[in-house]
Amino acid sequence: EIILTQSPDTLSLSPGARATLSCRASQNVGSKHLAWFQQKPGQAPRLLIFGASSRASGIPDRFRGSGSGTDFTLTISRLEPEDFAVYYCQQYGSSPQVTFGGGTRVEIK
Amino acid sequence: QEQLQQWGAGLLKPSETLSLTCAVPGGSLGGYYWNWIRQTPGKGLEWIGEINHMGSANYNSSLISRVTISVDTSRNQFSLKLRSVTAADTAVYFCARLGYDFYKGYMMDNWGPGTLVTVSS
Repeated sequence: EIILTQSPDTLSLSPGARATLSCRASQNVGSKHLAWFQQKPGQAPRLLIFGASSRASGIPDRFRGSGSGTDFTLTISRLEPEDFAVYYCQQYGSSPQVTFGGGTRVEIK
Repeated sequence: QEQLQQWGAGLLKPSETLSLTCAVPGGSLGGYYWNWIRQTPGKGLEWIGEINHMGSANYNSSLISRVTISVDTSRNQFSLKLRSVTAADTAVYFCARLGYDFYKGYMMDNWGPGTLVTVSS
């Protein structure tokens, strides 16, 4: 099983700041198999990035995914008020087919 | 794209069977894998399993002895059954669509709103 470890657990930042979120895999993950989600309270996760670096439909370009192998990063260039949420990385394809990281909470400082 | 719609019983007693259904509005099931995922405060997001329109299913090995995912192509629906539930199965259950772009990769891009299922005696 591929374990995804996200860091930090919580990121306290001001609107307008840059957020850098990390996702480290216990084994190599193919770039096509790594995604990032945003989740707000009471809502389903929302796909932001798939294939490690491709933005999903309607996602603003302040969200950028990068990385390969075992180290992946989600960068939010300038935090908007609606970006304060919990972010998860996800891998697809290694049994179990899907695993998620534990999440990083981005909160207002 | 319309959001997936899901429904099912929200309160169960231990040993009962959890049953949830997810509808795919306005489209067919072909070309995707259809997933069930649950979320708890303690374990986070946990993948349960997936199925395609042909009925080929994959399951999380930790749940495989208790779970069945089925598909009804005539109704554009897929369903989850989890047998012999305990309090540990209390969670919000989501259905989700998984697609694949040959050049870019896998994308779980459409989720149901979630159903809170509570197991309590």
